[in-house]
Amino acid sequence: EVQLVESGGGLVQPGGSLRLSCAASGFTFGSYAMMWVRQAPGEGLKWVSSISDGGASSYYADSVRGRFFISRDGSKNTLSLQMNSLRAEDTAIYYCARAMSYFRPPDYWGRGTRVTVSS
Amino acid sequence: QSALTQPASVSGSPGQSITISCTGTSSDVGNYNLVSWYQQRPGKAPKLIIYEVSNRPSGVSDRFSGSKSGNTASLTISGLQAEDEADYYCCSYVTGRTLLFGGGTKLTVL
Repeated sequence: EVQLVESGGGLVQPGGSLRLSCAASGFTFGSYAMMWVRQAPGEGLKWVSSISDGGASSYYADSVRGRFFISRDGSKNTLSLQMNSLRAEDTAIYYCARAMSYFRPPDYWGRGTRVTVSS
Repeated sequence: QSALTQPASVSGSPGQSITISCTGTSSDVGNYNLVSWYQQRPGKAPKLIIYEVSNRPSGVSDRFSGSKSGNTASLTISGLQAEDEADYYCCSYVTGRTLLFGGGTKLTVL
């Protein structure tokens, strides 16, 4: 069974940093692209960042480029998102998701981890 | 373009059929058969119900179907059931190596 379990969310002040993690199991991690998608309170889904199956290529939404950094560790089957210079508008539930390739919509999603940016 | 265009809400009675549209441009929906649809119940993660415009993952009811014409993709749910009440999102690849979601449609089963 495919499982994606996010962790690392919490309350952080504006300008602060947070690192999200996603533990993957039930599939061959290195054969899939991975991504982060977020959902602000009461709003829709927004793609944040993707990383290719081997980790060589990464992509970012304009709203987070230069502040967020996606990475993956194949030895630990873990996806990460380093979030710096956080803003109030980054407040959201962050979902980890997998896809057959970086340009395909995701097929499996984790349950999400909540990030709140507030003073 | 910040999001694909979906109606904010649709409704139908049990047993009826409804269709949710997802309108994009020639840079996304119109140019790629890489449109997926997701069902999201309150407080839950999204669940894939349609991929590559019209394909259903294993285990998804055949009451769900997808199609595309030009720059608009559509999700049809036939034989509406109370359990179908949820938010529905479309998603498409966009030229430039990004993904774009629709704004979401709230389905109410009357």
